[in-house]
Amino acid sequence: QKEVEQNSGPLSVPEGAIASLNCTYSDRGSQSFFWYRQYSGKSPELIMSIYSNGDKEDGRFTAQLNKASQYVSLLIRDSQPSDSATYLCAVGSGNTGKLIFGQGTTLQVKP
Amino acid sequence: DGGITQSPKYLFRKEGQNVTLSCEQNLNHDAMYWYRQDPGQGLRLIYYSQIVNDFQKGDIAEGYSVSREKKESFPLTVTSAQKNPTAFYLCASTFREGTNYGYTFGSGTRLTVV
Repeated sequence: QKEVEQNSGPLSVPEGAIASLNCTYSDRGSQSFFWYRQYSGKSPELIMSIYSNGDKEDGRFTAQLNKASQYVSLLIRDSQPSDSATYLCAVGSGNTGKLIFGQGTTLQVKP
Repeated sequence: DGGITQSPKYLFRKEGQNVTLSCEQNLNHDAMYWYRQDPGQGLRLIYYSQIVNDFQKGDIAEGYSVSREKKESFPLTVTSAQKNPTAFYLCASTFREGTNYGYTFGSGTRLTVV
């Protein structure tokens, strides 16, 4: 069974701090990696995608991928209360388009 | 604007009743997916379809059925055989080569058994 693991949290950080969210995956053949943000009662929205080892930055968000360690992370700089949400890690492999989702990490940013 | 439309937003089902959740997309995506989300949990795959008139079971297909008669539409029926259907149902779509693009999600349908 291919798995994606996340710490469910909650992860609590003060406003303006860096939030670090982590994800591990079991399938070494995985090729694509995504971070989704989900506000309570809403559907997930894609915020970052990464496909090769290293860092990818987009505004306040940085995704980091280490395929050797089967590890992907999301850093949120200058965290805002509006960043408070559940962050889902998703991993894709093969050509079916299927993504395997982690259970999500709840982030709380306190003013 | 392109997107995925799920309806209804809220749905109430009586014991022993079949209900159908609608999912329509105008993104010209080939592949469509149905996920179920329970409180505090991740997304679990119910069914998916990569092309018209073809679909495959996901991890929790028992008690559900789907059809894919048109590229734009992928309705999900929750049958009376599904003993615990109360959940948040999410429809998603992507291009067929889709692991490189991620999914676009609809706004979801919240199903409650009464």
